[in-house]
Amino acid sequence: DTGVSQNPRHKITKRGQNVTFRCDPISEHNRLYWYRQTLGQGPEFLTYFQNEAQLEKSRLLSDRFSAERPKGSFSTLEIQRTEQGDSAMYLCASSLEGWSGRGELFFGEGSRLTVL
Amino acid sequence: AQTVTQSQPEMSVQEAETVTLSCTYDTSESDYYLFWYKQPPSRQMILVIRQEAYKQQNATENRFSVNFQKAAKSFSLKISDSQLGDAAMYFCAYRGGQGAQKLVFGQGTRLTINP
Repeated sequence: DTGVSQNPRHKITKRGQNVTFRCDPISEHNRLYWYRQTLGQGPEFLTYFQNEAQLEKSRLLSDRFSAERPKGSFSTLEIQRTEQGDSAMYLCASSLEGWSGRGELFFGEGSRLTVL
Repeated sequence: AQTVTQSQPEMSVQEAETVTLSCTYDTSESDYYLFWYKQPPSRQMILVIRQEAYKQQNATENRFSVNFQKAAKSFSLKISDSQLGDAAMYFCAYRGGQGAQKLVFGQGTRLTINP
């Protein structure tokens, strides 16, 4: 297992276009998280899934953002009608239910979005 | 709402020396968890160390240890015998208890190791 995989790694788009990011978590992990990180800041929570159910959404996740995790495997994060303020690194992480042991989130390398 | 503050945007240390990164947090909860994550340049974030609030003993992981002061809401990270591979952004993070899933991160501290 190579860990959490995110694609594409970098996306440049024009304002108003739609973009979609994909996250493939560690295979046995049933929890999946999306965070957004802007330059010089710590990651901010967007949403998380347990299996295919989206259990929590941040107020940062406006109506233009939608996340899915069909069949409880990979997840997609779509941003519609992108704005320059959406430019950020979008991080995906996964974990095992229960936060047992070290309670560790495993992060991907992120997908960087640049909106022109 | 919980907040996490890292007051040192940048720190530097000589290789083999010891450095301490500061973190304070604000919460009204009594049950919570605190973490330090490391984000090397262009690489994924990884967990360095975690502390459960109900434990009085400070967590230690090899060269990394914390000074957890619950009353002061302070959670500093000490790195001993600093190595070039320790150079990274370090983020302090908070998670509430009782099934909470969201991590609240601080702004980060960029650590430079001078050879």
